[in-house]
Amino acid sequence: DAKTTQPPSMDCAEGRAANLPCNHSTISGNEYVYWYRQIHSQGPQYIIHGLKNNETNEMASLIITEDRKSSTLILPHATLRDTAVYYCIVRVGAGETSGSRLTFGEGTQLTVNP
Amino acid sequence: DTGVSQDPRHKITKRGQNVTFRCDPISEHNRLYWYRQTLGQGPEFLTYFQNEAQLEKSRLLSDRFSAERPKGSFSTLEIQRTEQGDSAMYLCASSLVTSSQETQYFGPGTRLLVL
Repeated sequence: DAKTTQPPSMDCAEGRAANLPCNHSTISGNEYVYWYRQIHSQGPQYIIHGLKNNETNEMASLIITEDRKSSTLILPHATLRDTAVYYCIVRVGAGETSGSRLTFGEGTQLTVNP
Repeated sequence: DTGVSQDPRHKITKRGQNVTFRCDPISEHNRLYWYRQTLGQGPEFLTYFQNEAQLEKSRLLSDRFSAERPKGSFSTLEIQRTEQGDSAMYLCASSLVTSSQETQYFGPGTRLLVL
């Protein structure tokens, strides 16, 4: 799986948009970008994933650049409960068993301030 | 709550003892994963099952570790002769694999402390 690079920490004011960047310059054509977050002492929580197109769900939006070498996770109106470590993960699709594992890096610690 | 449950949530044991953890995946999910997470690090893959077959094991899974998923539903992870270095959070995740999509959903984890 391709390696990802994320800033170690970011701050955001409550109510503002949080934009979390991720670089994955070695991503392959069959690799998806996944985002998870982990609130202290809990299991990781799935947020969103995408292949080429931008994606949006009730939690967040995922913007993937045209060359797919980087992406941004957007939390449109951050709340204090969004304070967590956010992980950007690149992995192949489901049909390829050798790439089933999720490889977590160190992620970005997002702190939402009141 | 993702629907993946783990038991126990916390375990304190003495070095040399055996421990067993249980994971109940989301109903009808065909894949089940085990990960381990130490303080300040991201989760690391240990092993996974597709139905009852164990398809991949990480080099992290020493011979003191064994995992089973006997009927393709719940899974157990056993650690024999525990060592202090085994202290970690053990996470289980499950997924339903379709033709191209797979999303893993994690349980709350079992936190192990080996004294």
